[in-house]
Amino acid sequence: AQSVTQPDIHITVSEGASLELRCNYSYGATPYLFWYVQSPGQGLQLLLKYFSGDTLVQGIKGFEAEFKRSQSSFNLRKPSVHWSDAAEYFCAVGASGTYKYIFGTGTRLKVLA
Amino acid sequence: DAGVIQSPRHEVTEMGQEVTLRCKPISGHNSLFWYRQTMMRGLELLIYFNNNVPIDDSGMPEDRFSAKMPNASFSTLKIQPSEPRDSAVYFCALKQGPMNHYGYTFGSGTRLTVV
Repeated sequence: AQSVTQPDIHITVSEGASLELRCNYSYGATPYLFWYVQSPGQGLQLLLKYFSGDTLVQGIKGFEAEFKRSQSSFNLRKPSVHWSDAAEYFCAVGASGTYKYIFGTGTRLKVLA
Repeated sequence: DAGVIQSPRHEVTEMGQEVTLRCKPISGHNSLFWYRQTMMRGLELLIYFNNNVPIDDSGMPEDRFSAKMPNASFSTLKIQPSEPRDSAVYFCALKQGPMNHYGYTFGSGTRLTVV
């Protein structure tokens, strides 16, 4: 069955530190992979996506993610976190044959000043 | 998000009352999704419209829920009668392009509280 796992419910980092949020998926077909960010009281905003080509993708707000097929992972990274990055982050997976995305349960990021 | 306008932003209603949530996508979008977000269940797809036609409503919890998309610029989600367990944030979302790899644009949501 298709699934997306975000193992970390909460992560706390200091401002200026590096960040990596984990995402693992289980999907039979070649997946489309996404990261979204949700600030309090807001909808989800697309940070970046992967569907083919270079496995390292760049997104908005200085984020990047790397698709590793052998590990079924699509981890989100940022070299230096800003206080404004505090939010909840969702990984999602889709595929060419379906309009449905499967969303992970989210990782809430807290940034210490 | 500038691409999708949802109203109202907050709604508090009494159990048993009818609630109507509204979504106005930017013109030309004909693929629209309604999602519900709760702490317990995360993001759940309720219904998907394509070309203003409901394609998949398997996520609609029960007959109390109904949705319409009379044109490409407007959709409603109605709950009648409402129950406390319907309390959640309801999002409208659009595909960012014709293919499935484009991702979604989400509205800011309607926070519904049923007391």
